[in-house]
Amino acid sequence: AQSVTQPDIHITVSEGASLELRCNYSYGATPYLFWYVQSPGQGLQLLLKYFSGDTLVQGIKGFEAEFKRSQSSFNLRKPSVHWSDAAEYFCAVGAHGNKLVFGAGTILRVKS
Amino acid sequence: SAVISQKPSRDICQRGTSLTIQCQVDSQVTMMFWYRQQPGQSLTLIATANQGSEATYESGFVIDKFPISRPNLTFSTLTVSNMSPEDSSIYLCSVEEGGTGGSGEQYFGPGTRLTVT
Repeated sequence: AQSVTQPDIHITVSEGASLELRCNYSYGATPYLFWYVQSPGQGLQLLLKYFSGDTLVQGIKGFEAEFKRSQSSFNLRKPSVHWSDAAEYFCAVGAHGNKLVFGAGTILRVKS
Repeated sequence: SAVISQKPSRDICQRGTSLTIQCQVDSQVTMMFWYRQQPGQSLTLIATANQGSEATYESGFVIDKFPISRPNLTFSTLTVSNMSPEDSSIYLCSVEEGGTGGSGEQYFGPGTRLTVT
């Protein structure tokens, strides 16, 4: 069965510092991988997705993620964090026509 | 991407009652999903709702508790029946875009925050 692990429940970074959120997945076929962001009291917004091809994918708000098949990882990165990036981030794995399986989420705090 | 709205945005309900949540999409979509997000938790799929067929429920969720309707390609409802405090959650609908050639990306509504007292 597919699963997603986000090992960091909370991460705190200083504004302007770089960010990396970890995600490891288990999936029986070529995975479709996603990162979503949820701001307090809001729904989920899709940041970026990987289906195939280039393993480094660019998303909205300056985020990128790199798919590493050998490590079963899909880590999210941003070179310089802004205070408005404080939110909860969810990694998910799925496929066309199928449910998304979400990780537990990582809460990002940004300190000034 | 599709624009998805949900009604109500939040509600406080008495135990033993039922609440119907509506999900409206601004374009026709084949696949709609209903998720639950319990306080401080991640999202769990309740059921998949495709137009023209019965909803498919995930393990641990049953139709009697969470009946779903999908009357057309832009609308769905989820009812939370005979509520208990354990049903207090955010309920989100999502749609998958791209039709049969889609790649699995789902877009979410803003959610319905339900509190059962």
